[in-house]
Amino acid sequence: QQQVKQSPQSLIVQKGGISIINCAYENTAFDYFPWYQQFPGKGPALLIAIRPDVSEKKEGRFTISFNKSAKQFSLHIMDSQPGDSATYFCAAEGGKLIFGQGTELSVKP
Amino acid sequence: NAGVTQTPKFQVLKTGQSMTLQCAQDMNHEYMSWYRQDPGMGLRLIHYSVGAGITDQGEVPNGYNVSRSTTEDFPLRLLSAAPSQTSVYFCASSRFQVGNQPQHFGDGTRLSIL
Repeated sequence: QQQVKQSPQSLIVQKGGISIINCAYENTAFDYFPWYQQFPGKGPALLIAIRPDVSEKKEGRFTISFNKSAKQFSLHIMDSQPGDSATYFCAAEGGKLIFGQGTELSVKP
Repeated sequence: NAGVTQTPKFQVLKTGQSMTLQCAQDMNHEYMSWYRQDPGMGLRLIHYSVGAGITDQGEVPNGYNVSRSTTEDFPLRLLSAAPSQTSVYFCASSRFQVGNQPQHFGDGTRLSIL
């Protein structure tokens, strides 16, 4: 079973727009929720992460929103740029790191 | 520091062949893991290790074997390759297993099984 569900599978956004990627989890034992960014031909790299005791974390143009009661969290990319075009993975950890299915983001100039 | 190094980058095998995917890290990380990446499936954990001499199964361990004789190396063995094992394989490491540890990934091995 998929413990972390991610949507959408793909996303096209105009330059300067807001990109939003959503994730939902089932296991309440998860206690760490990172997002990874992957460029073609490369391995994923940590982008931003949050713990469930906070509802929001912001780093530059990237923000994680976390809703513990709904068991959902999302990534917002403000002022999206063509250089943000990549695959984004949400993940959840409770001893082992479990990834979502990934979202392929394309930012059009 | 080279980080996490995976070899080979590409490999084509015939069904039934065996091979070893190599993974080495130079960061003195205790925790290492192997993932496979398939379209629409994300990254799925195959095996992991919390330190030298200790390994455990992840979500999709069948058909794969691992060992951890040193802190630096964590090879993944395909015992008898099957077309369903065609995938991109990523090795990752972190300082410890516990949360709040960023995973450092290699650039992957692209494996095709004919």
